[in-house]
Amino acid sequence: GQQVMQIPQYQHVQEGEDFTTYCNSSTTLSNIQWYKQRPGGHPVFLIQLVKSGEVKKQKRLTFQFGEAKKNSSLHITATQTTDVGTYFCAGASTDSWGKLQFGAGTQVVVTP
Amino acid sequence: DSGVTQTPKHLITATGQRVTLRCSPRSGDLSVYWYQQSLDQGLQFLIQYYNGEERAKGNILERFSAQQFPDLHSELNLSSLELGDSALYFCASSTSVSSTDTQYFGPGTRLTVL
Repeated sequence: GQQVMQIPQYQHVQEGEDFTTYCNSSTTLSNIQWYKQRPGGHPVFLIQLVKSGEVKKQKRLTFQFGEAKKNSSLHITATQTTDVGTYFCAGASTDSWGKLQFGAGTQVVVTP
Repeated sequence: DSGVTQTPKHLITATGQRVTLRCSPRSGDLSVYWYQQSLDQGLQFLIQYYNGEERAKGNILERFSAQQFPDLHSELNLSSLELGDSALYFCASSTSVSSTDTQYFGPGTRLTVL
């Protein structure tokens, strides 16, 4: 069955540094979504990518969908303490009847 | 505030017991999803309902069941509880069944089984 894997599981970042988290699927995805869960909170939708090679930006966050639609990445520049949380990617394979499969998440800790 | 409500916020119970978690979706949303999140774990999809009908099933144990009522609220029933069932249970809702729909998550119910 479809599997969505995220790496790294944990990311310690110094404030001001950049980092990237990756999402890989065992099957071709029709679309991928990214969510952020703050400590003690619930997942909140960030963005969706649908097209092969698509790149979208939200301020300091850059999201990319791979050409083969089997992987995605989230790059954060100049990390701030407000970026703390767990970032989940969620992908739907082309034959999953619309069911999103969430990755295990990347937990980001920011050191001032 | 996502517009999705879940009750109760916290639930403490003993092994072997049965509990019911409740979720009210955002106004106008027809799909409801249930997820389990254990400590330091990702979101495990349990089950999805759309307009009262079961739509998709994930890694839901036989001891767990759910339903969606005509007013679209949903309940997740957990029975014969075990220590390992302690987790945060999230409900999410979306407009339809499309994977391109945004899922709006509720605040969750934290279940502790002692």
